[in-house]
Amino acid sequence: AQSVTQLDSQVPVFEEAPVELRCNYSSSVSVYLFWYVQYPNQGLQLLLKYLSGSTLVKGINGFEAEFNKSQTSFHLRKPSVHISDTAEYFCAVSQGAQKLVFGQGTRLTINP
Amino acid sequence: GAGVSQSPRYKVAKRGQDVALRCDPISGHVSLFWYQQALGQGPEFLTYFQNEAQLDKSGLPSDRFFAERPEGSVSTLKIQRTQQEDSAVYLCASGLAGPDTQYFGPGTRLTVL
Repeated sequence: AQSVTQLDSQVPVFEEAPVELRCNYSSSVSVYLFWYVQYPNQGLQLLLKYLSGSTLVKGINGFEAEFNKSQTSFHLRKPSVHISDTAEYFCAVSQGAQKLVFGQGTRLTINP
Repeated sequence: GAGVSQSPRYKVAKRGQDVALRCDPISGHVSLFWYQQALGQGPEFLTYFQNEAQLDKSGLPSDRFFAERPEGSVSTLKIQRTQQEDSAVYLCASGLAGPDTQYFGPGTRLTVL
């Protein structure tokens, strides 16, 4: 069975600092990987996805992630964060057109 | 265009009541998913439809949970005899066929007293 581990439940950073949110997955077969963001009282919005091809994926709002098959990781990065990036971030994995399996989430807090 | 919509946005039920949660997917999306998100947790899969066919219901926690999508568009998640542990946000997502993006609605927050 697939599983996703987000290693940090909370990440506080200062505005304009870089950030990395860590995600590891377990699966014995090829997977598709996603990062979603959830703002308070809202649904999930896709940040970026890896289906195939280049292992460095660029998404919206200046975020990017790198798929590392040998380390089964898909860490999310942003070189300079803004107050508006304060939200909950979820890493997810799927096999084909099937259900998403989510991590527990990482709460990103940006301090001025 | 219009995204995924869900209604009601908030629902308070007394323990033992039945509830029905509605999801309107993006027009033309064949795939429809329901997830349950408990407070402080990631969403957990409940069930999956491709058009009107329910292809996976392995995540439904008990036989009190029932979902349908009779015409391959709107879907309803019904919970019978609600319990306090059913309190959560219920998220609906839709997508095109294939391993691609799932688009999420705003969710229905269910509180069972």
